[in-house]
Amino acid sequence: QQPVQSPQAVILREGEDAVINCSSSKALYSVHWYRQKHGEAPVFLMILLKGGEQKGHDKISASFNEKKQQSSLYLTASQLSYSGTYFCGTEIVGSGNTPLVFGKGTRLSVIA
Amino acid sequence: DSGVTQTPKHLITATGQRVTLRCSPRSGDLSVYWYQQSLDQGLQFLIQYYNGEERAKGNILERFSAQQFPDLHSELNLSSLELGDSALYFCASSASGGRGHEQYFGPGTRLTVT
Repeated sequence: QQPVQSPQAVILREGEDAVINCSSSKALYSVHWYRQKHGEAPVFLMILLKGGEQKGHDKISASFNEKKQQSSLYLTASQLSYSGTYFCGTEIVGSGNTPLVFGKGTRLSVIA
Repeated sequence: DSGVTQTPKHLITATGQRVTLRCSPRSGDLSVYWYQQSLDQGLQFLIQYYNGEERAKGNILERFSAQQFPDLHSELNLSSLELGDSALYFCASSASGGRGHEQYFGPGTRLTVT
């Protein structure tokens, strides 16, 4: 039930936009997005709880399509500081306390 | 700074040994999670504690165990260490033990087994 992220890696020039996708084979209760810089801890970006929900954080936003069981993270006008690995984590619908399951990550490199 | 602390930062030990990793959650957070991250791998969930009780278990090896103490700090014990146990170990905390709550990660402990 690990979510699948795409692309695996992307290289951008400063100012360009990117989209990172996260899809699940199971019905989702929530989608979490984290960014991790090399050698550091993952940092929470945002959580989406409802289908159709969209959230924004500076120039980073995300959407959650409950029917398609997927979420997308949008990075607009990328900055050097956006470089890192982005992980989505998903909680599936169901009984019990299912833990957050992370995808394998998308490595984003922003170059000048 | 997430407010979650982990010690030690680095640990180098030999195969067959036992180590203990320590985590203190953010003030007020009752839930602690442990994750393992190997080179170029994602975050693998190991175990969750909520207010001293085990709440959820992932693919944690039998050689690994954890506990959460009354002051809410948690320890992850790794025994009979193997080379493949070399990884970054993160703990995270959240206010609630339920779903739909963000987790805040500590800086991690880098374990090297030689």
